[in-house]
Amino acid sequence: DAGVTQSPTHLIKTRGQHVTLRCSPISGHKSVSWYQQVLGQGPQFIFQYYEKEERGRGNFPDRFSARQFPNYSSELNVNALLLGDSALYLCASSFELAGLTGELFFGEGSRLTVL
Amino acid sequence: GESVGLHLPTLSVQEGDNSIINCAYSNSASDYFIWYKQESGKGPQFIIDIRSNMDKRQGQRVTVLLNKTVKHLSLQIAATQPGDSAVYFCAEGATGFQKLVFGTGTRLLVSP
Repeated sequence: DAGVTQSPTHLIKTRGQHVTLRCSPISGHKSVSWYQQVLGQGPQFIFQYYEKEERGRGNFPDRFSARQFPNYSSELNVNALLLGDSALYLCASSFELAGLTGELFFGEGSRLTVL
Repeated sequence: GESVGLHLPTLSVQEGDNSIINCAYSNSASDYFIWYKQESGKGPQFIIDIRSNMDKRQGQRVTVLLNKTVKHLSLQIAATQPGDSAVYFCAEGATGFQKLVFGTGTRLLVSP
C-alpha cells in the first residue's frame, strides 16, 4: 500500500505569492495533520483535519489555511508568502482522530523556498 | 510556552556501540511520548512510543525510558548500525489535544 503522498516535492515562490500543497493520506486513514519544519528544527503543528472538519490549529497566522476533501485528501494553502515561510511542509495521516492511539505516518514533505 | 528540548544536538558513536539520546519535556499534562527518526530528505519515521503510565518500553533494538519525576525521556539504541545515522526527535502529546510538540532533534552519527 502507498504511504502518505505529498505534492509537489519541491517548489520555489517569491514573496507575496500564494502556494497550495497537497496530501493524500494512507488508504483508510481519516485524519490528516500538517506540520511545518524549518531547517534545523523539529516539526511545528499547523492543522489537523478529521472527517473534513478542522479539529486543531497551531499558532500560525490566518495566511495559513487548509481543507480536507471527501476522499480524505487535504490541501494546505499559504497566502502572501514571507521569506520565513521557507520550510519543509509535512503531512501526516492517522486512522483515528487524535492520532495518539496509533502512529502518525508522515509523508516525505514539500520543500518550499520563498525568495 | 510548553516545549520539548534535547540535551545533545549531536551524538557520535562507533558501530556496535549502544546509543542513548535524551530529551527533556516541560508539559506535565503530556501523557504520550514518541520517538521519530528522520533521515535526510525524508519525513519523520515512527520508532517507538510510550504512555505516561509506563516507565519503559522495548522494541527491536530500541528501548524508551520515561522518568516523569524529572520529566525526562530517553531512547536507547542497542548495537548501533550505520543505518541508524539520522536526526532523532522526541515528541509529546496530551490526550484530547490534536497536536504533537516536537523537540529540536539530536543528530546521531554512526561511524563504521
